[in-house]
Amino acid sequence: DTEVTQTPKHLVMGMTNKKSLKCEQHMGHRAMYWYKQKAKKPPELMFVYSYEKLSINESVPSRFSPECPNSSLLNLHLHALQPEDSALYLCASSPRLGGGNEQYFGPGTRLTVT
Amino acid sequence: DAKTTQPTSMDCAEGRAANLPCNHSTISGNEYVYWYRQIHSQGPQYIIHGLKNNETNEMASLIITEDRKSSTLILPHATLRDTAVYYCIANNNNDMRFGAGTRLTVKP
Repeated sequence: DTEVTQTPKHLVMGMTNKKSLKCEQHMGHRAMYWYKQKAKKPPELMFVYSYEKLSINESVPSRFSPECPNSSLLNLHLHALQPEDSALYLCASSPRLGGGNEQYFGPGTRLTVT
Repeated sequence: DAKTTQPTSMDCAEGRAANLPCNHSTISGNEYVYWYRQIHSQGPQYIIHGLKNNETNEMASLIITEDRKSSTLILPHATLRDTAVYYCIANNNNDMRFGAGTRLTVKP
């Protein structure tokens, strides 16, 4: 099973809402990632978790709060977002950090902030 | 990550080989070259990676020059389904930062 699943597929939320994105993998991977992708742009790295600990935060605003409750699950909690945060949010996993490890991506959650 | 430079766009005839170049002249000795692609509205897909030697898998071949300053991804028999944005990344920690990539269009 080389699948990374993300739920929901689509999400519309208001600026005062709190919502969460979920990502799951059952490949035994110990590194997991969140990316943000705006239309016609490449994915931008947001967060990296290694062995359930936050390893990299690419200076992401605090209205985005990641969580890795176990080795298979990665969440992204959203609060007080702005319309410019509307984007495709991609999750990925890899066996571990370090060179020579390929990443497997999920299909993404398309977020619209109204 | 070493900076990578790729052509903005390329065309390829269906059934022919697609050769996608990537320049990474400042690559360091422990940085791998990775290739991913993204078909419209889908998540990126891993294609291949290499450090020094040429690599081949069921999807593609990766040719890395001896000085490691550039590489070429080869899709041996391109199909319409290979139309996508192809990203070349040089990285040593798997924390990928994507550049603009090459938009490959395979034409009938």
